Amino acid sequence: NAGVTQTPKFQVLKTGQSMTLQCAQDMNHNSMYWYRQDPGMGLRLIYYSASEGTTDKGEVPNGYNVSRLNKREFSLRLESAAPSQTSVYFCASSAGTGWGTLNTEAFFGQGTRLTVV
Amino acid sequence: GENVEQHPSTLSVQEGDSAVIKCTYSDSASNYFPWYKQELGKRPQLIIDIRSNVGEKKDQRIAVTLNKTAKHFSLHITETQPEDSAVYFCAASVPNTGNQFYFGTGTSLTVIP
Repeated sequence: NAGVTQTPKFQVLKTGQSMTLQCAQDMNHNSMYWYRQDPGMGLRLIYYSASEGTTDKGEVPNGYNVSRLNKREFSLRLESAAPSQTSVYFCASSAGTGWGTLNTEAFFGQGTRLTVV
Repeated sequence: GENVEQHPSTLSVQEGDSAVIKCTYSDSASNYFPWYKQELGKRPQLIIDIRSNVGEKKDQRIAVTLNKTAKHFSLHITETQPEDSAVYFCAASVPNTGNQFYFGTGTSLTVIP
């Protein structure tokens, strides 16, 4: 039982390059999330998926796209990376869907440290 | 959407003393409040949580209190130890919003031996 696994752990991009961050969970969770963490700003939600087949924007979605490939996998894509996207990215998952069910704790992946130069 | 504010941003205590971190939230519909601990270079991990139908919850040296009327909740750590040094995040979750979590900006706790 690995929990939430995200790849890669580190990445350096040049401005304008694209890349996809991968995330998979093996806990049969319904909800999955992508957050970015910047110093002094806590964890800000980029996109989330409350169930397979649905995705919604969070607080800071500009410059990103997501795909909920199946119940296990939720990927984050940067189409044209910018220095402002330098950050630590965390994928997370939780069991609840939040729609008529109790919200439950989120489990986090180990993070991806992304630098855009 | 929900707005969560967290104070203080940094906190230093002597080993053995207590530490208190406070959070306020804006949406009275929020009904689930987890606390996460993040050690340097690692992922956030849940340490305690509380639901809106409970006023207090305790787990060994850690306790969380919730005041729904004032819309604030607090983390209390007693008998602090150096391994408690980390960044702590509070969060609030509003029902029927797809299980979104709204996080505070974090408190960096340092326990001085």
